[in-house]
Amino acid sequence: AQSVAQPEDQVNVAEGNPLTVKCTYSVSGNPYLFWYVQYPNRGLQFLLKYITGDNLVKGSYGFEAEFNKSQTSFHLKKPSALVSDSALYFCAVRRLGSGNTGKLIFGQGTTLQVKP
Amino acid sequence: KAGVTQTPRYLIKTRGQQVTLSCSPISGHRSVSWYQQTPGQGLQFLFEYFSETQRNKGNFPGRFSGRQFSNSRSEMNVSTLELGDSALYLCASSPDGTGGNYGYTFGSGTRLTIV
Repeated sequence: AQSVAQPEDQVNVAEGNPLTVKCTYSVSGNPYLFWYVQYPNRGLQFLLKYITGDNLVKGSYGFEAEFNKSQTSFHLKKPSALVSDSALYFCAVRRLGSGNTGKLIFGQGTTLQVKP
Repeated sequence: KAGVTQTPRYLIKTRGQQVTLSCSPISGHRSVSWYQQTPGQGLQFLFEYFSETQRNKGNFPGRFSGRQFSNSRSEMNVSTLELGDSALYLCASSPDGTGGNYGYTFGSGTRLTIV
């Protein structure tokens, strides 16, 4: 079965420290990979995506993600966390092929808590 | 550029009723996808519409249906509502559904509560 795993329900980090939110996937082929953030009672905000090319992808708000094909991982990172980064983070993949247009498979989400 | 607009933001319905939710995509986007978000099941894909045609469908019962109009606005309908249908319903807009160049832009969602 195609799936996305975010192994940590919650990540705690002190403000100013680097953060990593982990994501691994089990999807056939070379999928498109995405990170989204969700604040309470809001929709999903796009952070970044990997389609092809450099394994390190830079996105919004200082976030970046590293694609590792051999480990089928796409971890989200930020060099220096802010309290305002506290939110729910989702990793998602889209399998290629016409039967999968518009269809994202999401991980269960990771709550990031940044403490002052 | 206006974002993705979902209406209404909140809805309360009773079991057995039906409901219609609306999604207006970004101007020029022809693909609209719908997702259900619940604490237990997370984010699950319902269906995708492109140029007024349902192109892909998730694993939901036939009570969940949708349509898309010529201006790309989309509606989803849930009939014979059940308590388990309580969820945040999100729609996502993209130019062509591939998510390639522009990714997917989500609306703020409709919070549906069944009592």
